[in-house]
Amino acid sequence: NAGVMQNPRHLVRRRGQEARLRCSPMKGHSHVYWYRQLPEEGLKFMVYLQKENIIDESGMPKERFSAEFPKEGPSILRIQQVVRGDSAAYFCASSPPGAGQGYEQYFGPGTRLTVT
Amino acid sequence: AQKITQTQPGMFVQEKEAVTLDCTYDTSDQSYGLFWYKQPSSGEMIFLIYQGSYDEQNATEGRYSLNFQKARKSANLVISASQLGDSAMYFCAMRPNSGYSTLTFGKGTMLLVSP
Repeated sequence: NAGVMQNPRHLVRRRGQEARLRCSPMKGHSHVYWYRQLPEEGLKFMVYLQKENIIDESGMPKERFSAEFPKEGPSILRIQQVVRGDSAAYFCASSPPGAGQGYEQYFGPGTRLTVT
Repeated sequence: AQKITQTQPGMFVQEKEAVTLDCTYDTSDQSYGLFWYKQPSSGEMIFLIYQGSYDEQNATEGRYSLNFQKARKSANLVISASQLGDSAMYFCAMRPNSGYSTLTFGKGTMLLVSP
């Protein structure tokens, strides 16, 4: 039973380029969460999605960032026109339908984005 | 809004000794969950232990135990018999049981275990 998959594990982009980060939740999981970890910091919530719906995007920067979780395929976190301050580790977590307790969030290995 | 405070940026412990990592939290919710995660140098987030706010007993998982003091809003992690492989960042996190299942994390404590 594969865990949460994220790819790529490492991504290097020049300023102004686009970054696309993918997350495949655990089998049977329909809730996906994205978190960002800046250097020397803890994880900060960005967005919570269910299939085809954004439930809570209160942690997402208003510009350049978007997320989707289509009916088929992985969840995508997209960062347009990246800047150096976007360099961070981006973690995806998933939980099963009806999960009411947070211990059911399972984390992926993260994508390390470096903007040069 | 929730807030997690981890006041120890770094901790040192000798192998086989016990160590306590501090965590205090602030929330207006009555029902919530508290979590500890380990992040080794490889970067993944490893779930260690969970404590529900209404659990009467402190949670334990192998060498990990959570010293939960609800009135003081503290949820310290105790690692007994430290091992070299315990060297990592440790994050305390919480989630209210109302609303959506998002986690709020502290800034973490770096634990170094020496031989």
